[in-house]
Amino acid sequence: GAVVSQHPSWVICKSGTSVKIECRSLDFQATTMFWYRQFPKQSLMLMATSNEGSKATYEQGVEKDKFLINHASLTLSTLTVTSAHPEDSSFYICSARGTGRNTIYFGEGSWLTVV
Amino acid sequence: LAKTTQPISMDSYEGQEVNITCSHNNIATNDYITWYQQFPSQGPRFIIQGYKTKVTNEVASLFIPADRKSSTLSLPRVSLSDTAVYYCLVGDAYNAGNMLTFGGGTRLMVKP
Repeated sequence: GAVVSQHPSWVICKSGTSVKIECRSLDFQATTMFWYRQFPKQSLMLMATSNEGSKATYEQGVEKDKFLINHASLTLSTLTVTSAHPEDSSFYICSARGTGRNTIYFGEGSWLTVV
Repeated sequence: LAKTTQPISMDSYEGQEVNITCSHNNIATNDYITWYQQFPSQGPRFIIQGYKTKVTNEVASLFIPADRKSSTLSLPRVSLSDTAVYYCLVGDAYNAGNMLTFGGGTRLMVKP
């Protein structure tokens, strides 16, 4: 089946620094990728939709200057958390939809801890 | 948007069949129904997808009545490893939209 991979799985960074999370579609071309965040024991919350070659679309309340998304190729989208603060600590998950596919597949998730 | 409603939690025992129902009263004509399973600290895993009637794969069955206003995920003979949160999503992935909106999910606890 389709595989979506995230890297890193775990990352710890100091407050004020930036951290990048990668999302790759391994066996299909993903025209659209999605980024979610999930707090413990809560559901997934959509942050933004990333379209290859164009600007990401952010959900209401998500700061686009803080959560930079780049979808430079059909197999890679990156989420950069800029000037991270402890409240940004969360589980970040990406998903991807392939061309002609009606199913969305998710990555393994990335834990971010800001200290 | 096709909002989904699921039970918050369910308990079962090993070897039993588990049925989790999802209500989606305002499902649109082009919407599909997709179920995902999520373990702690992992991304959701695709289980099954359907449009109408019944769909079966190696891990589950999905029952969808004619009016499509609800669906039931059936897990045969669950084991301890099936303890997870199960999400029902409704939408047309081709047009993104509400396929991307997660409800609260159902937390399934399988006991020995």
